[in-house]
Amino acid sequence: AQSVTQLDSHVSVSEGTPVLLRCNYSSSYSPSLFWYVQHPNKGLQLLLKYTSAATLVKGINGFEAEFKKSETSFHLTKPSAHMSDAAEYFCVVRGPYTGGFKTIFGAGTRLFVKA
Amino acid sequence: KAGVTQTPRYLIKTRGQQVTLSCSPISGHRSVSWYQQTPGQGLQFLFEYFSETQRNKGNFPGRFSGRQFSNSRSEMNVSTLELGDSALYLCASSLEGRTNTGELFFGEGSRLTVL
Repeated sequence: AQSVTQLDSHVSVSEGTPVLLRCNYSSSYSPSLFWYVQHPNKGLQLLLKYTSAATLVKGINGFEAEFKKSETSFHLTKPSAHMSDAAEYFCVVRGPYTGGFKTIFGAGTRLFVKA
Repeated sequence: KAGVTQTPRYLIKTRGQQVTLSCSPISGHRSVSWYQQTPGQGLQFLFEYFSETQRNKGNFPGRFSGRQFSNSRSEMNVSTLELGDSALYLCASSLEGRTNTGELFFGEGSRLTVL
């Protein structure tokens, strides 16, 4: 069975400081892992994805994530937060099931960025 | 390349009515999936279609249904609307295949308000 746990429902940082959004997953096989961002009343935009290649994945807008199999984690980081990063972030697990893919979303982490 | 298009973006209905939402996937994508997003329940999977066939269905009542056409466009229908159906309905398309990553591309959603 698959599951995704985002460890923080809200994270607040000051502009210019590092961002860390935590995600743990559980899967009985090697899944694909994704981080998506959602701005208010918008759809989800892909930030980055892990698909069993390099364990350190670089995404858009300066975000990156490290896949740690031993810890079953896929935490999202950014060295320096910008006001425009304020949004909701979702960690997503996708894996094969009969005939297609199964998608599990984390509950989301809302990022607040203070000036 | 055009993204995923959902129509309408906003709509208001009253209890007992029915609603149809439309989704046009990215050209060449044959998989379309639907999700309901509410503040209380987060993102929940509704169903997925591939080549006009429903491949997987989430835990929603039979009032929620969908279909996919030969051009991969998809519609979802909710009958006998209830107040709790108020939500952002998101559609995503994916280029399914043996070697793809299963990345989902989301539309901006249809915001349904039931009065």
